Amino acid sequence: GQQLNQSPQSMFIQEGEDVSMNCTSSSIFNTWLWYKQDPGEGPVLLIALYKAGELTSNGRLTAQFGITRKDSFLNISASIPSDVGIYFCAGRETSGSRLTFGEGTQLTVNP
Amino acid sequence: NAGVTQTPKFQVLKTGQSMTLQCAQDMNHNSMYWYRQDPGMGLRLIYYSASEGTTDKGEVPNGYNVSRLNKREFSLRLESAAPSQTSVYFCASRPLHSGRLVTDTQYFGPGTRLTVL
Repeated sequence: GQQLNQSPQSMFIQEGEDVSMNCTSSSIFNTWLWYKQDPGEGPVLLIALYKAGELTSNGRLTAQFGITRKDSFLNISASIPSDVGIYFCAGRETSGSRLTFGEGTQLTVNP
Repeated sequence: NAGVTQTPKFQVLKTGQSMTLQCAQDMNHNSMYWYRQDPGMGLRLIYYSASEGTTDKGEVPNGYNVSRLNKREFSLRLESAAPSQTSVYFCASRPLHSGRLVTDTQYFGPGTRLTVL
């Protein structure tokens, strides 16, 4: 099935730094979603994107739906310790009905 | 609203035992999903139910069965558990619409951590 390449796999940063992560696919997507998973919890939706070029913010988080419709980016500005967790991208192909998830980016923030 | 609830939170089984994971949502969502999460592999779809009365296989259905009991409840059954089914299982639900738009957003439960010895 369709695979999403999410990078980086892990990041270790200092509090206050900005963070960028991205997902790429080999096929065109209609939807990109970004989720965060805290330890021992289920994923929680951060941002949903439905249009190519769309740029959406949620507090210190900003995500973009790539113009080619084959990628998406998530940026976190001025990171804080509670940003620690696993960030997942998910997308739906133009011809598909189900979401495909990336493998996740494990974020560690050192105070 | 409780959102999506899952029981049990933890379970240990012996190889060959059977069990049913329960999931319920109180958001009146049409679609429900079962995923498994393994280290370094993201979330993989086991089965889903697009609407009450229908179920379909996902990416990794072997060894599992599901029942969409009603609009609220979607259960996952392991008939004969195997060590390869040790994983964290997540249930999710999705509304048909959000406002006037068809939405792909799925809402997840807290997960069931299953160990098969």
